[in-house]
Amino acid sequence: QSVLTQPPSASGTPGQRVTISCSGSTSNIGSNPVNWYQQLPATAPKLLIFSTTQRPSGVPARFSGSRSGTSASLAISGLQSEDEADYYCAAWDASLNVYVFGTGTKVTVL
Amino acid sequence: EVQLVQSGAEVKKPGESLKISCKASGYSFTNYWVGWVRQVPGKGLEWMGSVYPRDSDTRYSPSFQGQVTFSADKSINTVYLQWSSLKASDTATYFCARDFYDGRLLPALPAHWGQGTLVTVSS
Repeated sequence: QSVLTQPPSASGTPGQRVTISCSGSTSNIGSNPVNWYQQLPATAPKLLIFSTTQRPSGVPARFSGSRSGTSASLAISGLQSEDEADYYCAAWDASLNVYVFGTGTKVTVL
Repeated sequence: EVQLVQSGAEVKKPGESLKISCKASGYSFTNYWVGWVRQVPGKGLEWMGSVYPRDSDTRYSPSFQGQVTFSADKSINTVYLQWSSLKASDTATYFCARDFYDGRLLPALPAHWGQGTLVTVSS
């Protein structure tokens, strides 16, 4: 049972903006950087956002991250068909001393 | 280019032992934590812990402490995940992943991932 809670699903039409939330606590999101991963079907996860707002090289600028208190969000602007995937938030939890992943959100492009 | 190549799929019986591998290339192997992440079929990601190849220091998630063993062989740039007695509940895909930052003091941040190894445990 994850300590980071995400909605199970989100959807949008091509070109729309989709936002995924991630709710945590003071020991994880509230005090440590948040990272986001994209997992396409039957592939390994890919780091999409690190340190809450930073994009690794090669990740399109339409992916962006933010944080407010003990919650974080991933926004996908200009949704594309290839964005259909599972998305996970993650952060270090200082109380549990573990790296915790969110419950995951499946994004569907309608 | 950072690459992590994992060993192939395994089918085992309950009670058997298993060691899977993750061979790294394209970076200084001893300077980065390499972690393991479990994904049960149809479920989410769970961080199991990681190993620091420079001195084989390990950190385990409490959920996996005592259930698995991590190790590293600096001579062949390879890390391992090992079970002494598998259970059916160990059926999952296991990913290795190198941390984003080098050094031993920072919290985990899995960044570069292997392709995954599917382990099936069934009688």
